[in-house]
Amino acid sequence: DAGVTQSPTHLIKTRGQHVTLRCSPISGHKSVSWYQQVLGQGPQFIFQYYEKEERGRGNFPDRFSARQFPNYSSELNVNALLLGDSALYLCASSPNRDPYEQYFGPGTRLTVT
Amino acid sequence: GQQVMQIPQYQHVQEGEDFTTYCNSSTTLSNIQWYKQRPGGHPVFLIQLVKSGEVKKQKRLTFQFGEAKKNSSLHITATQTTDVGTYFCAGPGGAGSYQLTFGKGTKLSVIP
Repeated sequence: DAGVTQSPTHLIKTRGQHVTLRCSPISGHKSVSWYQQVLGQGPQFIFQYYEKEERGRGNFPDRFSARQFPNYSSELNVNALLLGDSALYLCASSPNRDPYEQYFGPGTRLTVT
Repeated sequence: GQQVMQIPQYQHVQEGEDFTTYCNSSTTLSNIQWYKQRPGGHPVFLIQLVKSGEVKKQKRLTFQFGEAKKNSSLHITATQTTDVGTYFCAGPGGAGSYQLTFGKGTKLSVIP
């Protein structure tokens, strides 16, 4: 079975622009979570979606938004990009809504210049 | 809010030596999870501990969950170069929370 997939792999954007990152969970997994990981730190929780509803939101500004589609894939949107948004954005899926084992995708490396 | 702390931040060991990383939470956890991230890679789930005092083994890796369910450790016996990477612990944010809080990780280097 395919693992979690994310696109694009790498992205370079300019300050003020917006970006959309995409994630496809493992088949049968209904929960998708998004994390931001900056160099030298652990992943920081941004959102969790389960059955197309937002179930949790981390301490991120309203510039960050997400949604989950009927096929359980998900998008993360970031508006008005700042230099500090440069990071690895990880998507993780799990079979249910509880915060148990997460299966991470390879991530999208976002660079904001 | 909940904090998850890990020590040490870095560990350099000679191949064949043992390695231990410790994780402490500011709150009682319903479960604790461990992940490994190889350089340039993404976190990979290793194990989940749920019960107070639980000990689980995976080959050379031994995981423990404290009696108070606020701390955990990962011990690797006779490290190999394939053990190189950053080890993270993570715990749920509290009752009803779907947020998973990760520690900053312990970066393990193994000298051949």
